[in-house]
Amino acid sequence: EAGVVQSPRYKIIEKKQPVAFWCNPISGHNTLYWYRQNLGQGPELLIRYENEEAVDDSQLPKDRFSAERLKGVDSTLKIQPAELGDSAVYLCASSFRPRSSTDTQYFGPGTRLTVL
Amino acid sequence: QQQVKQSPQSLIVQKGGISIINCAYENTAFDYFPWYQQFPGKGPALLIAIRPDVSEKKEGRFTISFNKSAKQFSLHIMDSQPGDSATYFCAAFSSRRIQGAQKLVFGQGTRLTINP
Repeated sequence: EAGVVQSPRYKIIEKKQPVAFWCNPISGHNTLYWYRQNLGQGPELLIRYENEEAVDDSQLPKDRFSAERLKGVDSTLKIQPAELGDSAVYLCASSFRPRSSTDTQYFGPGTRLTVL
Repeated sequence: QQQVKQSPQSLIVQKGGISIINCAYENTAFDYFPWYQQFPGKGPALLIAIRPDVSEKKEGRFTISFNKSAKQFSLHIMDSQPGDSATYFCAAFSSRRIQGAQKLVFGQGTRLTINP
C-alpha cells in the first residue's frame, strides 16, 4: 500500500513569490493534516480536514496561507506571498479514524521549503 | 497548557546501552501519548504509543513508562543499535471534541546517536 505522497520534495523560491504544495493521502483515509516543522522542532499543526471540510484551521496564518481539499482526497497548501520565516518542512499526514484516541497519523516525507 | 516538554535535546549512547528520553505535559485532557521516530529526509513514523490507563507498554526493545500523577512519560530503548540513530518526538493527543483538541502536540525532539 502506498503511503502519503507529497510533491515537490524540495522548493527554493525568492521572498514574495507564491508556492504550492500537494499531498495525496493514503487511500481510504478521510482525515488529512498539514503540519509545519521548523528546523530542530517538532511538527505543528496548520490545518486539519475531515473529508473536504476544514475542521481546525486555527493555526493557519490566513493572511498568506490557504489550503483546499477538493473532493475530499488530494490537498493543496499555498503560501502567497512567501516570507523568509516560512522556510521549513511542510508535512502532510492522514488518518482513518481521527476521533479515536488511538488513531494513527501517517506522515508523508514532507516538502522542504527554502525562501531566499 | 498545550505544550509537551521533551528532554534531552540530544543524546549519545553506546551500542548496547539504554537510551532514555523524557516528556512532561500539563493538559490532563490528553488521552493518547505516541512516540514518533524521524530519520533525515523522512516524515515522522509512529514507533509506540500508550494510553494513560496503563503505566507501561513494551514492544520489542522499546518501552514507554507512564506516570499519570506526575504527568510524565518516557521512552526507553534497550540494547540500543546504530540503526536507532534518529530524532525522536513524543506527542500528546486529546480525543475530546473541544476547541484545541484532536490534534497531535509534539515535543521539541531528541536527536539520538548510537555509537558503534
